[in-house]
Amino acid sequence: ELKVEQNPLFLSMQEGKNYTIYCNYSTTSDRLYWYRQDPGKSLESLFVLLSNGAVKQEGRLMASLDTKARLSTLHITAAVHDLSATYFCAVDDEGTYKYIFGTGTRLKVLA
Amino acid sequence: GAGVSQSPRYKVTKRGQDVALRCDPISGHVSLYWYRQALGQGPEFLTYFNYEAQQDKSGLPNDRFSAERPEGSISTLTIQRTEQRDSAMYRCASSLKGGQPQHFGDGTRLSIL
Repeated sequence: ELKVEQNPLFLSMQEGKNYTIYCNYSTTSDRLYWYRQDPGKSLESLFVLLSNGAVKQEGRLMASLDTKARLSTLHITAAVHDLSATYFCAVDDEGTYKYIFGTGTRLKVLA
Repeated sequence: GAGVSQSPRYKVTKRGQDVALRCDPISGHVSLYWYRQALGQGPEFLTYFNYEAQQDKSGLPNDRFSAERPEGSISTLTIQRTEQRDSAMYRCASSLKGGQPQHFGDGTRLSIL
């Protein structure tokens, strides 16, 4: 059974600090997605990672994928309050197109 | 509209009633997916369509749940004889085709009394 695990589950950090969220998965999928979800809102696509070694950056967020280690990271640089949200990674189950989501990381950036 | 549209946004019903949740995907998107999201959890896959064909329904919890997409566009997720454990946010997503990034709707919040 495909499993996707994120850590930490909760993250409280000061503005200006750096931190990394980790996403481990148990399948050989080469496709991994990061989403952001604000309370009561839908899921907003952040990054699409489609191959080993893929790195994408948008503003203060950078995502990378290591398919050999079955690991993706979401790095936050110089956090600001507006980044407070829940972040989910999702893996495309190999051979199907359904997403298996991680448990989510609830990020709170303190002013 | 430009995004995935779901209706109703909120549905409250009594246990034992049937409910139908609607999803209107992004125009031109071939693939449509249904997920269920419990509070504080990530979405869980329910079922998936390519055009009108249901490709995978392995995530439907039991035979009270069914879905259709008769004309390859709008989809309906139906839950018969609802139970309290069915209460959740039901989300629909669509993609250009299978394997392309999925775009999610705002969801339907279902509450069973």
